[in-house]
Amino acid sequence: KQEVTQIPAALSVPEGENLVLNCSFTDSAIYNLQWFRQDPGKGLTSLLLIQSSQREQTSGRLNASLDKSSGRSTLYIAASQPGDSATYLCAVKTGANNLFFGTGTRLTVIP
Amino acid sequence: DVKVTQSSRYLVKRTGEKVFLECVQDMDHENMFWYRQDPGLGLRLIYFSYDVKMKEKGDIPEGYSVSREKKERFSLILESASTNQTSMYLCASTQVPSVTEAFFGQGTRLTVV
Repeated sequence: KQEVTQIPAALSVPEGENLVLNCSFTDSAIYNLQWFRQDPGKGLTSLLLIQSSQREQTSGRLNASLDKSSGRSTLYIAASQPGDSATYLCAVKTGANNLFFGTGTRLTVIP
Repeated sequence: DVKVTQSSRYLVKRTGEKVFLECVQDMDHENMFWYRQDPGLGLRLIYFSYDVKMKEKGDIPEGYSVSREKKERFSLILESASTNQTSMYLCASTQVPSVTEAFFGQGTRLTVV
């Protein structure tokens, strides 16, 4: 069964710093990988989707990379802001009908 | 703008009650999912549906059932609520083929007392 791990579980950085969040998965036979943001008590907001044939995707200050063969993805956030404070989740799709989630990294950006 | 809407943000129910959680999507997606999210355990799949009236069990279906009578609506039913079903419930939908993005609702925080 696919297992997804996110390290670290929590991260605090000063405003303006660039940072990297990590996601690893055990089964490389994936359709895609998706990064989400979750604010406290809220649902998940999709940030970036990387197909299995792609290496990276960018949206504004966010850049996600995928190395399928090694079972790793990173989410790079440039010039962090207090509004970036949230929990970030990665999820891999291995079939038509399921997403496997990591337990998330809780990010705090300190003004 | 795509949207997945869950009928309630917060619910408080008593032990033994039958509870309905409703989810509606406006994207004409075939696949719909119900997850629960608990601290330290992440998101776990309860049930999913790939078509009207079709359903498949996920990882933790015990104590739950689902209904999908129309393509846009997927309901999660707690037959007899128990305190260990206190959780955040999240509904999601995706298009087929499976390479497309998953969209989530805003979540329902259910407390069973």
